[in-house]
Amino acid sequence: DGGITQSPKYLFRKEGQNVTLSCEQNLNHDAMYWYRQDPGQGLRLIYYSQIVNDFQKGDIAEGYSVSREKKESFPLTVTSAQKNPTAFYLCASSPGTSGARSAQFFGPGTRLTVL
Amino acid sequence: GQQLNQSPQSMFIQEGEDVSMNCTSSSIFNTWLWYKQDPGEGPVLLIALYKAGELTSNGRLTAQFGITRKDSFLNISASIPSDVGIYFCAGQPTGTASKLTFGTGTRLQVTL
Repeated sequence: DGGITQSPKYLFRKEGQNVTLSCEQNLNHDAMYWYRQDPGQGLRLIYYSQIVNDFQKGDIAEGYSVSREKKESFPLTVTSAQKNPTAFYLCASSPGTSGARSAQFFGPGTRLTVL
Repeated sequence: GQQLNQSPQSMFIQEGEDVSMNCTSSSIFNTWLWYKQDPGEGPVLLIALYKAGELTSNGRLTAQFGITRKDSFLNISASIPSDVGIYFCAGQPTGTASKLTFGTGTRLQVTL
C-alpha cells in the first residue's frame, strides 16, 4: 500500500524546544518537500530535496532544518529559532521535478502546537 | 514567494449545482494541478494538466489548461455534499524545475 506517512498527527511542545517531524514515502519518488500551512492560508514551501543527500531552502526556511540521508525519508526539525512554529505541516513527494513527474502527492499532515 | 490568483475565495452552492473556479498568473506555466483539501487533512491531487489547451476529466470534475498558459479552470458538475472542502490550484512556472506555486484556495460549501 504505497503512500506518504507523517507522524505524529498532533504534536505539542514547549516554547524553546526543538522538535522533529517525520515524513516517510514508499512511492520511490526522487523529490520530497515540506510546506507550512497557517489557518485560512495557502501552502508555503519550507525546504525541498530533489535527490538523496541534497536539499534547498524554500521561501520560509529560517528556523527550520532538514536532512535527506535516505530516499524514502525527509525529516523536518523545527528549531527554537522559529518565531511562530504553531502551524499545520505538510510533507509531499513527486516522482521527479519537471513535466509529468512534477505532480506532488501529500501526506496527512502534522499539527504542531507550541505552548 | 509568488502565489497564484485563485477565485472565487469562497462559494456557497446548493446540491446539484455546477461549480466553476479558476486560477490566473502573470507568468507562463508548464504544469497545472488541482487539489482538494478536507479540514485537518493533506491535499489530494484531483487533476494534472501538462499541455496548453488540455481538457481533462475525473468523474464529475473537469479542468482545463488555458491556451495562454497563464490560467486554468476547474468545473464540478452536479455538486454533492462531499464536495465540501478547499480547492487549490498549483502550477510550475517555466524555468523553475521542482518548485510549485500554489493558489490561495477556493472554499466550497454545499447546502442541501
